[in-house]
This record gives sequence, structure tokens and C-alpha cells, in this order.
Amino acid sequence: QSVLTQPPSVSGAPGQTVTISCTGGSSNIGATYDVHWYQQLPGTAPNLLIYGDNYRPSGVPDRFSGSKSGTSASLAISGLQADDEADYFCQSYDSTLSSWVFGGGTKLTVL
Amino acid sequence: QITLTESGPTLVKPTQTLTLTCTFSGFSLNTFGVSVGWIRQPPGKALEWLGLIYWDGDKRYSPSLKSRLTITNDTSKNQVILAMTNMDPVDTATYYCVHCTNCLLLGVAYWGQGTLVSVSS
Repeated sequence: QSVLTQPPSVSGAPGQTVTISCTGGSSNIGATYDVHWYQQLPGTAPNLLIYGDNYRPSGVPDRFSGSKSGTSASLAISGLQADDEADYFCQSYDSTLSSWVFGGGTKLTVL
Repeated sequence: QITLTESGPTLVKPTQTLTLTCTFSGFSLNTFGVSVGWIRQPPGKALEWLGLIYWDGDKRYSPSLKSRLTITNDTSKNQVILAMTNMDPVDTATYYCVHCTNCLLLGVAYWGQGTLVSVSS
């Protein structure tokens, strides 16, 4: 059971916008620790997609955006493309556990 | 250019100790603020943080695995070693080595390709 909760799957048609949620608690996201998002294509290592809640590393398209409110964070992907099909993970820090924590991951299917 | 490469056994028996080596380039673990960490991922499952070692030698471990983990470094070889004792089939996973600079704020930008370790008799 992951400390951060994500929906197991989401789907959308090409061109649409999908949102992936990441719900935590008062000792992690709610304690204002930053949330980061990773994209993992099949058979590859995760790739940093969003850091510091809503910043994109160089090279990440602006179709990807992050937000945070209270004890939850969200990743939005607009203008869905076929190669967006991947697993997406959120990450933060938990002060009670003194540990990095990850979400369980969300599989995005582009219909 | 920062690169990290994990190496070690692909198969270990239950109760054995796993030793993995992360060989890195493009940075020095003697540099202020730099750390190297380990993250694992069982097949089809979520990522799990194991621990990390800082530039000053300080170490942090996952509370749930702390009793089984030891992370050391050999700065002369640009290597970080992960040792995990008493391996069990549930420890079957891909183990990733990562570079970290202020990762709580910046996330993990550099990952090794990962090495799949299976635990079976």
C-alpha cells in the first residue's frame, strides 16, 4: 500500500486532456513537501517530468503541467498523443516516515 | 554528462545477501550537496525508495528496510555499493541507482538503466 494514492489507470483519446491525481496526507504533500512526477515507458527507467510541484525540466513539452492543493497534487496532460502511453508516478517526502514516498503509479492508455 | 550503471547478480537465493554496485561518471560524490541513492521496482509495481549516501558520508535508509541495508561508497572508483541482507522472493525487483542534488526540491533527474534481480531457490 503506497503512501501516496494514484488511480490505477486513466485513458483519453488523442488530443484530449487527462488528469492524474496524487493524494497524500498531512505529513507529506500537506506538509508542503514538493511533489515530483515521473513518466516511465515500458522497459525503461523513470524520467523526470515535473519537479517542485509545477516546473518542467528542459525538454519536457508544455503539454505536461503540475499543480498542488492541500494534501493532493495533479498532473495534467493536454493534447494527448499516442506516445504519452506510459506509467506515471508521483513522489514526495514524508516527515513522519523520514522517507521519500511514491504513488502506486497510473497507467495512461491513449484510446 | 551524468551516467550511472548498476551491476551485480541477476539471481540470488533466499537468505543470501545481495550486493549491487553503481558506477557513475560526470560528477563527484565529494561535491557539496550531491548524493547517490537506490530505488527499486518489483515487476509491474510501484517504485520504492531504499536509501542514499551524501557527499559528506551521511546515509539515510528507508525505515522499513533499514535493518537489512548498507550503502557505502568508494570515491576513488566513483562507485556506490548497496548491500541487502536476508533476501526474499518479495525482493525480486529492478534496482535503480540515481544521482541526487537537492532531490527534495528538484526530483531525480538522473537514473541508471536498472538491473533486474530475481530471488529464487
